[in-house]
Amino acid sequence: SQQGEEDPQALSIQEGENATMNCSYKTSINNLQWYRQNSGRGLVHLILIRSNEREKHSGRLRVTLDTSKKSSSLLITASRAADTASYFCATDAYSNYQLIWGAGTKLIIKP
Amino acid sequence: DGGITQSPKYLFRKEGQNVTLSCEQNLNHDAMYWYRQDPGQGLRLIYYSQIVNDFQKGDIAEGYSVSREKKESFPLTVTSAQKNPTAFYLCASSPTDRGATGYTFGSGTRLTVV
Repeated sequence: SQQGEEDPQALSIQEGENATMNCSYKTSINNLQWYRQNSGRGLVHLILIRSNEREKHSGRLRVTLDTSKKSSSLLITASRAADTASYFCATDAYSNYQLIWGAGTKLIIKP
Repeated sequence: DGGITQSPKYLFRKEGQNVTLSCEQNLNHDAMYWYRQDPGQGLRLIYYSQIVNDFQKGDIAEGYSVSREKKESFPLTVTSAQKNPTAFYLCASSPTDRGATGYTFGSGTRLTVV
């Protein structure tokens, strides 16, 4: 089942700029998670935000969650070439034992 | 270091052949998952297991089979009944309390039909 939708599908920015990706979902959730996937590799868990949290930070990452709008955003500040990857959001509704995944945002950082 | 090991990294399958993808974790996680990823797409769940000797079908289980005889191991067999198996396969694990942490993924197996 796919309930998350990331926006934009692709994003290309200059190194040093900030990158913002958005995720919308359809059902009530217990938490929302963001993952990074480098080309041809597995996914790496970046950050988890619970439904009762509105904002969370981890290093250069800032995640916000608006449960009234069923949306989340991931901000990467001061982007680096190593940030080039696909970013996925996943929602955990606890209704079953599955995360529901979006299709991802492909981020390209130009040197 | 704890983690998930998937093998092989690349696998080639002939028409009508069954192949098995290996997934081993030493994180002491109860739950394990198999996902399929097609180019430019998100993840689709094939099977998952919450405890040893028990597993459930995901969204695209047809043509696949799994076993969970040990906590550490969750192998996936792609059978000849899977008509379009060429894809990137990802194994993941998580603790039972998923509210505290996310999933840990392996590095994937790329399966190609020749």
